[in-house]
Amino acid sequence: GESVGLHLPTLSVQEGDNSIINCAYSNSASDYFIWYKQESGKGPQFIIDIRSNMDKRQGQRVTVLLNKTVKHLSLQIAATQPGDSAVYFCAENISPEAAGNKLTFGGGTRVLVKP
Amino acid sequence: DTGVSQDPRHKITKRGQNVTFRCDPISEHNRLYWYRQTLGQGPEFLTYFQNEAQLEKSRLLSDRFSAERPKGSFSTLEIQRTEQGDSAMYLCASGDSEKLFFGSGTQLSVL
Repeated sequence: GESVGLHLPTLSVQEGDNSIINCAYSNSASDYFIWYKQESGKGPQFIIDIRSNMDKRQGQRVTVLLNKTVKHLSLQIAATQPGDSAVYFCAENISPEAAGNKLTFGGGTRVLVKP
Repeated sequence: DTGVSQDPRHKITKRGQNVTFRCDPISEHNRLYWYRQTLGQGPEFLTYFQNEAQLEKSRLLSDRFSAERPKGSFSTLEIQRTEQGDSAMYLCASGDSEKLFFGSGTQLSVL
């Protein structure tokens, strides 16, 4: 059944195009950021992470960009595929040792890939 | 499959009943987390364990909620006297660094 929200911001993208998902984080002291993908009926699945001493990190078909000046995080997906359709969440970790690696999640963005 | 197992996947209960969920983390991970997710929202932190010690509890975790990790391996989350507002997806995650791996969750419906 549906376990991820129906009233989320939605990004519709044509199959094969690139997707950009944006996230504004809340705490300037956060030093670790992570993107998760969540499909219906499943838990969040790790995509990519980045530390605050970096501004860009690349994975397989995904790139995360971090702009600490404006507290903005983005996820770029290259050549979007139907299997990329899901809800995407960004999360931040204020301080691993002080906060026990507790992640704070932002609101999600639904990505719909059109064939 | 992340290696984090949760049971049951779905639970339907009547208001006022008690429910218990189980989480089996990735075996080498010493940290275990419980989160709650409602429709349209990101997961919200409830509590976490370092081995068998419960180190932090969110204010979201009312007195009706209790979590245990008796041997530092699996964990249980119990909700007593369930209310309709407890209906949500309860997610478990484990990790030994900043990266957390989530299970598929237990979807609770309180009628």
